[in-house]
Amino acid sequence: GDSVTQMEGPVTLSEEAFLTINCTYTATGYPSLFWYVQYPGEGLQLLLKATKADDKGSNKGFEATYRKETTSFHLEKGSVQVSDSAVYFCAPDPNTGNQFYFGTGTSLTVIP
Amino acid sequence: DTGVSQNPRHKITKRGQNVTFRCDPISEHNRLYWYRQTLGQGPEFLTYFQNEAQLEKSRLLSDRFSAERPKGSFSTLEIQRTEQGDSAMYLCASSSHRGRTGELFFGEGSRLTVL
Repeated sequence: GDSVTQMEGPVTLSEEAFLTINCTYTATGYPSLFWYVQYPGEGLQLLLKATKADDKGSNKGFEATYRKETTSFHLEKGSVQVSDSAVYFCAPDPNTGNQFYFGTGTSLTVIP
Repeated sequence: DTGVSQNPRHKITKRGQNVTFRCDPISEHNRLYWYRQTLGQGPEFLTYFQNEAQLEKSRLLSDRFSAERPKGSFSTLEIQRTEQGDSAMYLCASSSHRGRTGELFFGEGSRLTVL
């Protein structure tokens, strides 16, 4: 069935380190893809999105490229900050074929 | 626009009791979703409304669970005869059908603890 697979955490990095969180998907068709972020004590919020193959989403220094050939949507940031400590979730667009599922989440802790 | 609002934020109940959660979506959003999240896991889909019509229900939504959205605005999620396994964070989200994509706007959740 359709699903997303995320890199397992937790991930601990020092400030200014490079971040990659892997996400691969199995879906019918090519849905838009999202990364959501959940900061401690807060609700999930959209971080970035990409609507088609080779599209790059970006926000707050984070980037993710929709790679159709590898069915991947990996999240990257060149230099993480302590304030990036959160849980990150990969998910397809629920409007595309009623795909309502989320990845299991990857917890990131950035230490000074 | 005050975002998605959920009440109550916390609910502690004894096993066997009924509980009800309310969600007020962003006013112009016609789609409303309920998810459940347990510690260390991603949100698990429960059900989805477009306006007042309940269009999808997960297998997770046993007969003890019922959700309504009577006028296509706010929604309620009721759990009858609660069990300890129902302890979780219940998340509500809404989205607009007018956008190109269906990104979800989440509330802060209602945490249920069943003793």
